[in-house]
Amino acid sequence: NAGVTQTPKFQVLKTGQSMTLQCAQDMNHNSMYWYRQDPGMGLRLIYYSASEGTTDKGEVPNGYNVSRLNKREFSLRLESAAPSQTSVYFCASNPGLAAGREQYFGPGTRLTVT
Amino acid sequence: GENVEQHPSTLSVQEGDSAVIKCTYSDSASNYFPWYKQELGKRPQLIIDIRSNVGEKKDQRIAVTLNKTAKHFSLHITETQPEDSAVYFCAAFEGNLIFGKGTKLSVKP
Repeated sequence: NAGVTQTPKFQVLKTGQSMTLQCAQDMNHNSMYWYRQDPGMGLRLIYYSASEGTTDKGEVPNGYNVSRLNKREFSLRLESAAPSQTSVYFCASNPGLAAGREQYFGPGTRLTVT
Repeated sequence: GENVEQHPSTLSVQEGDSAVIKCTYSDSASNYFPWYKQELGKRPQLIIDIRSNVGEKKDQRIAVTLNKTAKHFSLHITETQPEDSAVYFCAAFEGNLIFGKGTKLSVKP
């Protein structure tokens, strides 16, 4: 099992460019999440998908869109990148929304917007 | 919504000493409290968790305590080792996980 995988590992964008971050999991998990991690700010939830076919906003959704392509894949799109979106992005999954379920994180994507 | 405060933001201890990290949460409906360890450049990984119907849980050198009345929970690491050096995050579950801002633990040999 690869667990949760993310591509790319690193990316540099110019302001205004767009890109899609890819995430896939092979654990048959229902729920998937996108977080951003900034120094001193912890992990903040951008969007999540409780199950295939549903997506919801988290704490910091502005400037992002998501697609739950199928049960395995959950992508994050930046339509017009801004320097404030420079961050490390983590995808995560867990079996479902119920409490007591471990979240498994991907390796992260380090994004720089100049 | 839920708010999780974590203290201290940095903690330096000598090898063999104990380390304690504390978190408070705001939403009394929160019912699951995991702790994650993140080594430099790596992904966060779960090290221990506790549910609201339990007051304490232990796993070798790591323990977590929960005080529901006061809405706070703590991570205790005993006999610290250099490989315990990392950033530790607490979180509270109320619909989704809300993370604290992290504690950078340094264990000096």
